[in-house]
Parts: sequence; structure tokens; C-alpha cells
Amino acid sequence: EPEVTQTPSHQVTQMGQEVILRCVPISNHLYFYWYRQILGQKVEFLVSFYNNEISEKSEIFDDQFSVERPDGSNFTLKIRSTKLEDSAMYFCASSVGGGRGEQFFGPGTRLTVL
Amino acid sequence: GENVEQHPSTLSVQEGDSAVIKCTYSDSASNYFPWYKQELGKGPQLIIDIRSNVGEKKDQRIAVTLNKTAKHFSLHITETQPEDSAVYFCAASRVDSNYQLIWGAGTKLIIKP
Repeated sequence: EPEVTQTPSHQVTQMGQEVILRCVPISNHLYFYWYRQILGQKVEFLVSFYNNEISEKSEIFDDQFSVERPDGSNFTLKIRSTKLEDSAMYFCASSVGGGRGEQFFGPGTRLTVL
Repeated sequence: GENVEQHPSTLSVQEGDSAVIKCTYSDSASNYFPWYKQELGKGPQLIIDIRSNVGEKKDQRIAVTLNKTAKHFSLHITETQPEDSAVYFCAASRVDSNYQLIWGAGTKLIIKP
């Protein structure tokens, strides 16, 4: 059964450093999403991506964040200058689109900013 | 914007009994309501969903009901089994927002043997 994969599973970085979180969505899916979950808090929407551009983004997704689909398979989230409060679990999801809302999630990347 | 409230935060039931988790939402324009199950160390897994033009949907031991007037929806699990133990999340979204999911806080379901 196809699944969304994410790497790395755990990333530790120093405050101010750049990080790139990687995701490989399900191959025939057209919509891609990033969510995050700070420990003990709700899952929060960050951004959705379709047709090689951002389609929706939340207030959390400021200029420090960017997304990219550099090739036909990877979908990345970059945080330019990490802050302590960026420590969270980051989930990638993908959807086939076409009016169907079902999103399929990867296992997540735990980001720890020291 | 949309806000989703979920109750209870923890639910403990005897194996074989039923479990009910409830969510309310604030945006009457929301029209898609999925439920996700998250096991330890894994990402959320879609278990059932419902759209606003349907009042109830069932899949084996799992059912979801939606009351659009009251803006609440519920997950029902019957004949609970140990493997049902997990954290369950409800969410709400709209097709015109590309289905960005607004999540409830989660319910930790514990099945007692």
C-alpha cells in the first residue's frame, strides 16, 4: 500500500540554523500539506501546495518558512533561522485532490531546537 | 476562523463496550469532517470521514454522525478491542480552503482488558 514517507525522523539543530524537512508524498497525489504539533498542543495547519505553488498558508507560516517541490517526488519544508519555539513534530500529508478531501499523513519529523 | 473543540481528552472503556468521542466546530461553512487515529510513534491515520450532505456514515465497528444545525459531530466505536487504544483526532475543513484541516485537541482512548 503506498504511503507518505518523511526524513529524518528526528532532527536536532541549534537556534538560528536552517533546517530542511523532507517528504515523499504518494505518487499520484496532487495536493501536499505541512502540519505541525507542538508537544501537548493541537495539530496546526501550516501550508498547502498545489500545481507548484502555495495555495493556502496559516499565520504561522511566515517569511522564515518556505516549501518546495524540487523534483517529481520530494516535497520539502525549510525553516531559515530556527527558533526555540519551532520545536515540534512536523507532519507532511498528501491528497489526490479532485474534490476528495482525504489526506494521508507521513510518520512525522521531530524537530528539536536547542 | 474555524475552531474545533473535542471531548473528552481521555476515555477509558472496558473491552467490548462502546466508545463515543464528540467534537464541535464553529464555522458553518465547514463541509468535510475526518477522524484520525494516531498510534505511538506514527502519523495520523484516516479512519472515517463525513461530508456535510450526509448525517451518518458507518464502516464496520466505526460510525460518525453529523448534526449541522448544532455544529457537532461524533465518533462511535462499538465492540472495542485492545487495538483500538490510541489517540483519536477530529478535524474540520472546507473544500474552498483546499481542505486545510483544523484539528481538535485529541482524545486518548484506553481499552481495559
